[in-house]
Amino acid sequence: GAVVSQHPSRVICKSGTSVKIECRSLDFQATTMFWYRQFPKQSLMLMATSNEGSKATYEQGVEKDKFLINHASLTLSTLTVTSAHPEDSSFYICSALDTLNTEAFFGQGTRLTVV
Amino acid sequence: SQQGEEDPQALSIQEGENATMNCSYKTSINNLQWYRQNSGRGLVHLILIRSNEREKHSGRLRVTLDTSKKSSSLLITASRAADTASYFCATDAAGSWGKLQFGAGTQVVVTP
Repeated sequence: GAVVSQHPSRVICKSGTSVKIECRSLDFQATTMFWYRQFPKQSLMLMATSNEGSKATYEQGVEKDKFLINHASLTLSTLTVTSAHPEDSSFYICSALDTLNTEAFFGQGTRLTVV
Repeated sequence: SQQGEEDPQALSIQEGENATMNCSYKTSINNLQWYRQNSGRGLVHLILIRSNEREKHSGRLRVTLDTSKKSSSLLITASRAADTASYFCATDAAGSWGKLQFGAGTQVVVTP
């Protein structure tokens, strides 16, 4: 089956620093990946759509200068949380779209804690 | 927001009982999926039902889809303590493959 690997699974960082999260499709090519965020006891909310070779499309209310997305290859998208603040602490999870099967498969998620 | 609604928000049952949760959404869809999430963990994909399907089974899971009412239900039969988790439905709007809108979720607690 389609496998998506997300790293790191957990990260703790200090306020003001930046954190990079990687999302890789291991056995298929993904021209499109998605990034979601989940705050405690809430549902998942789409943050942005990552498109290989072009700029990401951000959902309303998501700061594109704070959440930098790079999708430089067909198997890798990265999300960088810049100048992290405690309110950015959340569960971030990516998915990669397998265009052949028109299904998206999720990574394991990253729990970010900003102290 | 296009986020769907789920009910109930919480469900507490005993082992062996059935659990039913419902999901409503707002737009025409390609697929509807159900996921399980244990506390603090990632998503486990349970079942995908396509817009042209009305019912699907997988083990103890039964999913129905009514596109005219824009709603779906998930039935877990003969529940077990290990079924304790949050359950989310997610849809991708017609033409937006893979771009999921999640429901608010149902928190299910199964007591032994």
